[in-house]
Amino acid sequence: GQQLNQSPQSMFIQEGEDVSMNCTSSSIFNTWLWYKQDPGEGPVLLIALYKAGELTSNGRLTAQFGITRKDSFLNISASIPSDVGIYFCAGRGSQGNLIFGKGTKLSVKP
Amino acid sequence: DAGITQSPRHKVTETGTPVTLRCHQTENHRYMYWYRQDPGHGLRLIHYSYGVKDTDKGEVSDGYSVSRSKTEDFLLTLESATSSQTSVYFCAISEWGGRGAAKNIQYFGAGTRLSVL
Repeated sequence: GQQLNQSPQSMFIQEGEDVSMNCTSSSIFNTWLWYKQDPGEGPVLLIALYKAGELTSNGRLTAQFGITRKDSFLNISASIPSDVGIYFCAGRGSQGNLIFGKGTKLSVKP
Repeated sequence: DAGITQSPRHKVTETGTPVTLRCHQTENHRYMYWYRQDPGHGLRLIHYSYGVKDTDKGEVSDGYSVSRSKTEDFLLTLESATSSQTSVYFCAISEWGGRGAAKNIQYFGAGTRLSVL
């Protein structure tokens, strides 16, 4: 079946740093979504992308729909402590259901 | 949580007992989904519904059944719980779904943490 590879699996951030993460697949997706999950909560939608090459921002977050339709990127600029959590990418597969990456866990540097 | 209520939020049960989790929505969305979330696996689809009494299997449906008798409620049942079903279960809803729906955005509930001992 269709699968997404999300990287990195985890990363540590220092306040003020920019953060980048991505999802790749061997399959084409028609929609890419990025979610954030805080501990003990469900995923919350951050950004939705519908067209190849599309670049969309939501505050300090920017996501891009790869031109090949097989990847997507999420960037967070000038990170703040409340950015910690798990970020998931999701692609709409050939059957219409969403396929989720395994997540990128953002933590604060000790 | 986009008008989604999951109950219970936490449950501990014993192997072999039946368990039912409930998802209730106030958005009148047509599509409802049940996922499980496990470390190293992300979110995996168990079952979904595309209307009242219309359901279909997802990636990890073995050992689970669902029912949807009303638009607002989607029930997930573990007929005989096993330790491998210890997980966090999430319900999601979407207004659109299926192959032709570009805007299949799913909104999630807060989850149910289930422990099977």
